[in-house]
Amino acid sequence: GAVVSQHPSWVICKSGTSVKIECRSLDFQATTMFWYRQFPKQSLMLMATSNEGSKATYEQGVEKDKFLINHASLTLSTLTVTSAHPEDSSFYICSARPGTPGGADTQYFGPGTRLTVL
Amino acid sequence: DAKTTQPPSMDCAEGRAANLPCNHSTISGNEYVYWYRQIHSQGPQYIIHGLKNNETNEMASLIITEDRKSSTLILPHATLRDTAVYYCIVRVGRGSSASKIIFGSGTRLSIRP
Repeated sequence: GAVVSQHPSWVICKSGTSVKIECRSLDFQATTMFWYRQFPKQSLMLMATSNEGSKATYEQGVEKDKFLINHASLTLSTLTVTSAHPEDSSFYICSARPGTPGGADTQYFGPGTRLTVL
Repeated sequence: DAKTTQPPSMDCAEGRAANLPCNHSTISGNEYVYWYRQIHSQGPQYIIHGLKNNETNEMASLIITEDRKSSTLILPHATLRDTAVYYCIVRVGRGSSASKIIFGSGTRLSIRP
């Protein structure tokens, strides 16, 4: 159980285009999902927190108009990189938090999406 | 969330137990200790978590000191597939608004044949 998928697993696009990445919780409902990005040889950096049915909360320094997040259902969140540029090339990873009350707060991560902007 | 300190790298012989330490001296009473690992070019994988008691699952054991200021993740019989970056994270449980995970640098574990 507790499987999170991402689509696509990798994408190459031209500079100036927009790219949408999907994150799905396959066997549980996720009231909250998180988006991270990771540059080579660095740790994961949290970009934003996404709650179903409400606006995402972005971390300091992350442009909300560039990284559009939509959490339309309890099993799907999308990240759209608008007008992508080469510096947006990175490994994007989502995580999902089951909506189980009480106790610990385990999150489960997707396999990641590698974005390359030419 | 409490800050954690981990060694940047460790190595272990295949088949031996790998013991990964983590210091979290400022941990609060309601904070859990979580361990995740990230194999190259993959998303992080949940390993185990605990609050006060030692925990064991099919992947690993988690030993938490009595004062909860440090913990050790034990991989009982390390294999080459265990080569990864291991992250120790301390955070509050459900019910808190601060549920986001902030990753540190982790420990890069190398398993040698």
